[in-house]
Amino acid sequence: KAGVTQTPRYLIKTRGQQVTLSCSPISGHRSVSWYQQTPGQGLQFLFEYFSETQRNKGNFPGRFSGRQFSNSRSEMNVSTLELGDSALYLCASSLYTGELFFGEGSRLTVL
Amino acid sequence: QKEVEQNSGPLSVPEGAIASLNCTYSDRGSQSFFWYRQYSGKSPELIMFIYSNGDKEDGRFTAQLNKASQYVSLLIRDSQPSDSATYLCAVSWTNAGKSTFGDGTTLTVKP
Repeated sequence: KAGVTQTPRYLIKTRGQQVTLSCSPISGHRSVSWYQQTPGQGLQFLFEYFSETQRNKGNFPGRFSGRQFSNSRSEMNVSTLELGDSALYLCASSLYTGELFFGEGSRLTVL
Repeated sequence: QKEVEQNSGPLSVPEGAIASLNCTYSDRGSQSFFWYRQYSGKSPELIMFIYSNGDKEDGRFTAQLNKASQYVSLLIRDSQPSDSATYLCAVSWTNAGKSTFGDGTTLTVKP
């Protein structure tokens, strides 16, 4: 069974640009969550989607947004990038029990 | 006070010893508790989950939960160098994809 797939794995952007990250969950998993991991803040919850609806949202500014498609694939977008947005962005899929299965992550560097 | 706190590391144990990792949480409504292992440069992987008070064993790993004390722990018996990683405690108050993570404890097992 294929795991969670995230693309792109690495990307470099400049301040003010926007970025879109993609995530394909494990087949059959309808919940997709996004997390930001930085050395200073650890793993922080961004948002969760279930059946194309945002079910939970973390404490991030509105520049961070996401969506989920009917095939459960998800995208997250960050607009007007800031230096502090440099991080590893992790996507995780889940069945109904809350156990998270993470992708390899997308490492974003903002210059 | 952080919502999920883990014992400060790093933790170093000799090969074959028992490693004890601890975690406390502040939300009494929390229902699900998870331990993830994260190797350097990799994404977190789920190693244990526990929902009820008491102990849960899986191979060399034992998770312990005490909801009254808001405390969850992970014991690793017969520690191996391959167990060297950062261990993340996560807590969820629903069975959804939103979990709150601790900052992690870095474990080093010395041969």
